[in-house]
Amino acid sequence: QQQVKQSPQSLIVQKGGISIINCAYENTAFDYFPWYQQFPGKGPALLIAIRPDVSEKKEGRFTISFNKSAKQFSLHIMDSQPGDSATYFCAARGNTPLVFGKGTRLSVIA
Amino acid sequence: GAVVSQHPSWVICKSGTSVKIECRSLDFQATTMFWYRQFPKQSLMLMATSNEGSKATYEQGVEKDKFLINHASLTLSTLTVTSAHPEDSSFYICSARDLSYGYTFGSGTRLTVV
Repeated sequence: QQQVKQSPQSLIVQKGGISIINCAYENTAFDYFPWYQQFPGKGPALLIAIRPDVSEKKEGRFTISFNKSAKQFSLHIMDSQPGDSATYFCAARGNTPLVFGKGTRLSVIA
Repeated sequence: GAVVSQHPSWVICKSGTSVKIECRSLDFQATTMFWYRQFPKQSLMLMATSNEGSKATYEQGVEKDKFLINHASLTLSTLTVTSAHPEDSSFYICSARDLSYGYTFGSGTRLTVV
């Protein structure tokens, strides 16, 4: 049973555009929602995280939007750059270890 | 921020031998560490939760006798793949939880069994 559903599976964005990745969850016990960036051959690196008492969090070009009633959260990457090309994972944690979405492979083209 | 060091970054071993992977939290103490396995172009799959001073908790379907986990100190957890076979070839990643920075991941270990 997939606890966190992530979409799209892959995404191609023009340089300077906005990349949007969405995740949905069912477990209302989740209380921590991080996003990770992973480059090939490397471990995931934390980008930004949010807790359910906040509807939006912004750090630089990265923004998480959180909709508690819909049980959805999304990552927005503003002014996307070729260096942002990587795989992005959403995750969630409640009374269990982190569970991950299946990942989104982002390609930013010039 | 929190740093987790994982070694080796890659290893090639012969079928039937054992391989040990180390995961260290460099600037914080981690009572709990996690071991993941990742196949190409797939997500991270939790293998086990490693607790300092006690036995690891394995996820369903993970062979505890094949994947031995030891968490002997607050900064070190090890994963030993015993009697490795080609199907054990994968990318193994550890993670530790720091109260300030959340979950920090190591850089991963690429295991190839030939």
